[in-house]
Amino acid sequence: DAGITQSPRHKVTETGTPVTLRCHQTENHRYMYWYRQDPGHGLRLIHYSYGVKDTDKGEVSDGYSVSRSKTEDFLLTLESATSSQTSVYFCAISDLAGSQTQYFGPGTRLLVL
Amino acid sequence: AQKVTQAQTEISVVEKEDVTLDCVYETRDTTYYLFWYKQPPSGELVFLIRRNSFDEQNEISGRYSWNFQKSTSSFNFTITASQVVDSAVYFCALSEASTGGFKTIFGAGTRLFVKA
Repeated sequence: DAGITQSPRHKVTETGTPVTLRCHQTENHRYMYWYRQDPGHGLRLIHYSYGVKDTDKGEVSDGYSVSRSKTEDFLLTLESATSSQTSVYFCAISDLAGSQTQYFGPGTRLLVL
Repeated sequence: AQKVTQAQTEISVVEKEDVTLDCVYETRDTTYYLFWYKQPPSGELVFLIRRNSFDEQNEISGRYSWNFQKSTSSFNFTITASQVVDSAVYFCALSEASTGGFKTIFGAGTRLFVKA
């Protein structure tokens, strides 16, 4: 299994508070991704990174920001959490652009009250 | 624009039946990748297979087989002699080139119930 961890694994927070989720990899992979999983929608891409300090938006990026200051860490921040951001968040990594098989972390369950 | 459609929301079969999960995709690119992932009840996402757009060979891995047909933009997944452990949500995904690399779109998933 690819070495990917996510923290925290579970979080309950209140509307309006900032929340940061961390994804950490030990594989030295270039590409990292944040997805959210909601019933009926599969996984939807929030943001992704193709190198240190290189990031781009996915299909559901509103209300989220990301940062990648080191190869191994990719942070997802909910600037002001809303109930619609209650979801399961998955981080993924991949190595080469041509390969693009993504390996996923264990997920973070976030509940925004 | 990319799109992945898994029209079957849920499928229920009895153990030892064969079952096919459908995946239809849309893309304007000539270079792209298709994937299947499995999500068992424990919640993790497990990679099953990758196909690139230039390789239409079907693949068999044990009880699993995949049929890729560019003419119909389909990448279907068949489980032969299903087992209870196959119960999971299965996702089809499509990756195509984007800024800095590739972007991946997932289908909504098909939940498979295999009853003993």
